[in-house]
Amino acid sequence: SYELTQPPSVSVSPGQTASITCSGDTLGDKYASWYQQRPGQSPVLVIYQDTKRPSGIPERLSGSSSGNTATLTISGTQAMDEAEYYCQAWDSSTVVFGGGTKLTVL
Amino acid sequence: QLQLQESGPGLVKPSETLSLTCTVSGDSISSRYYYWGWFRQPPGKGLEWIGSIYYSGTAYYSPSLKSRVTISVDTSTNQFSLKLSSVTAADTTVYYCARVRNYYGVDVWGQGTTVTVSS
Repeated sequence: SYELTQPPSVSVSPGQTASITCSGDTLGDKYASWYQQRPGQSPVLVIYQDTKRPSGIPERLSGSSSGNTATLTISGTQAMDEAEYYCQAWDSSTVVFGGGTKLTVL
Repeated sequence: QLQLQESGPGLVKPSETLSLTCTVSGDSISSRYYYWGWFRQPPGKGLEWIGSIYYSGTAYYSPSLKSRVTISVDTSTNQFSLKLSSVTAADTTVYYCARVRNYYGVDVWGQGTTVTVSS
């Protein structure tokens, strides 16, 4: 089965830039989406089709893709950005999630 | 504003069938752009896709759960449902329903409902 790999945790200081990666075989041939999930809440779509932001998502969250790695970048990180982040892609009509990355704002 | 709400028993006995319903309000489930999906998340763990269904009834399932899952849709009530058979303690988790646009993302989620499998 298809797998997406994320680092379990990333730490960042307030105001700095955080990057969360997501890698998978042939991910470059697929679209990646990213979700933010705060404790006790439902996930929220923050990036779709590698780089696009849904309405209402701050511009400091951005997505990129290179080769078989997708990256979520959070610029000027704020305390409210502390959350779990999941990447997701489609593989033959099935939905696949990465294992999640806990972003800690120190 | 689109809202999804999960409903169903919070406690299911081992070996029985878990049944949940998702009620969609604020949009028609018959929209041609969207699938409607079920997801789950064990406490403290990651997201898992269970399956998705189109308003026509076309459904796709997770390979790991396919043998136990049935997802159905009722356009007259704007609802879709999940049945998971032969449940075990490993199926104790939060279940979410959501709107899925293939190759875009899962853009609207329900609040989630906790189901415990226990005798």
